[in-house]
Amino acid sequence: NAGVTQTPKFRVLKTGQSMTLLCAQDMNHEYMYWYRQDPGMGLRLIHYSVGEGTTAKGEVPDGYNVSRLKKQNFLLGLESAAPSQTSVYFCASTGVLEMFQPQHFGDGTRLSIL
Amino acid sequence: GIQVEQSPPDLILQEGANSTLRCNFSDSVNNLQWFHQNPWGQLINLFYIPSGTKQNGRLSATTVATERYSLLYISSSQTTDSGVYFCAVERSPGAQKLVFGQGTRLTINP
Repeated sequence: NAGVTQTPKFRVLKTGQSMTLLCAQDMNHEYMYWYRQDPGMGLRLIHYSVGEGTTAKGEVPDGYNVSRLKKQNFLLGLESAAPSQTSVYFCASTGVLEMFQPQHFGDGTRLSIL
Repeated sequence: GIQVEQSPPDLILQEGANSTLRCNFSDSVNNLQWFHQNPWGQLINLFYIPSGTKQNGRLSATTVATERYSLLYISSSQTTDSGVYFCAVERSPGAQKLVFGQGTRLTINP
């Protein structure tokens, strides 16, 4: 049981390049999330999904796109990377039950935009 | 949107000491959680505590929803308690769209 797996763990991009971050969970969770964490700050929600085929904007969605074609995967895309998107990106997931379930986090992807 | 403020921003203690971390929030919430981010960046949920008091070993948390604050207590600190502690809230019932505070960085020296 791997939990939440993020790929890649590290990446360096040049301004204007594009890339996709992959998040995979094996817990059959309905909800998935992408956050970014800048130095010295808490996490901020970029986009989230409440089920396969659905996505919604979070607190800081500009410059990012997401897709949830399969329940277990949530992809975060940067179409034209900018230095302001240098950050650590976390994916999380949780289930939908009557009782509260905490979010399970991946180990993060450290992304640098030059 | 809702504002979440944590204090103190930094805390340095000796092993064995007790500590209290505070989280203030600007509006009523239906969801409040405490997280620990270890020095390697991994995030672990400690408590789900929108109101009341909970305890888990050396850690306990209390939320006074009417006064819009929550406290995290760590007793008999160990070096493994080092890291950043985050409070996160959700304003109204939904998909756990959490708003995080800026965290308290705790350093426990041996």
